[in-house]
Amino acid sequence: GEDVEQSLFLSVREGDSSVINCTYTDSSSTYLYWYKQEPGAGLQLLTYIFSNMDMKQDQRLTVLLNKKDKHLSLRIADTQTGDSAIYFCAENAGNMLTFGGGTRLMVKP
Amino acid sequence: NAGVTQTPKFRVLKTGQSMTLLCAQDMNHEYMYWYRQDPGMGLRLIHYSVGEGTTAKGEVPDGYNVSRLKKQNFLLGLESAAPSQTSVYFCASSEDSNYGYTFGSGTRLTVV
Repeated sequence: GEDVEQSLFLSVREGDSSVINCTYTDSSSTYLYWYKQEPGAGLQLLTYIFSNMDMKQDQRLTVLLNKKDKHLSLRIADTQTGDSAIYFCAENAGNMLTFGGGTRLMVKP
Repeated sequence: NAGVTQTPKFRVLKTGQSMTLLCAQDMNHEYMYWYRQDPGMGLRLIHYSVGEGTTAKGEVPDGYNVSRLKKQNFLLGLESAAPSQTSVYFCASSEDSNYGYTFGSGTRLTVV
């Protein structure tokens, strides 16, 4: 199966930008996704990018896609304490999504 | 605006006991999924369904069975629970396999 990899942990100060990185393996993925999971809750879809796009911006969120390197990143501008959560990237492969292991973002005041 | 509802939210089982986790969605989604989430391992797909009456195996199906008798419900069964099945179980649904999933809030299962 496909492997989606992420670093485990990221710590930033409030007001700084956060960049969460992800590498995937299935070049046929048509969409790539970012999900957010807050403590004790399910995953919430944050944003997604179509595979023929290089960048997508949605308010404080910027997604960059490098298809050649199979690299996806999520940038959060002006990071707030409420952004503290686990962030998962995912790729679609056939009838299902394959998720990375998640990156825990800690935002320090 | 219920979305995806999972019951129960918490459960403790003894080894060898059986139980059924229920997932219900009110969005008329065709696709439904069961994942388990373990520390450091992200989410792993157990079983999924692409429509009423259909089921298929995911990455880690052993020890689990599923049924999709009604479009809105997707049941996950554990026939003989083992400590290795201690996990948080998430159900999700989607309109299409390319669309983002809507997740339930999870079921925390402990097998002792």
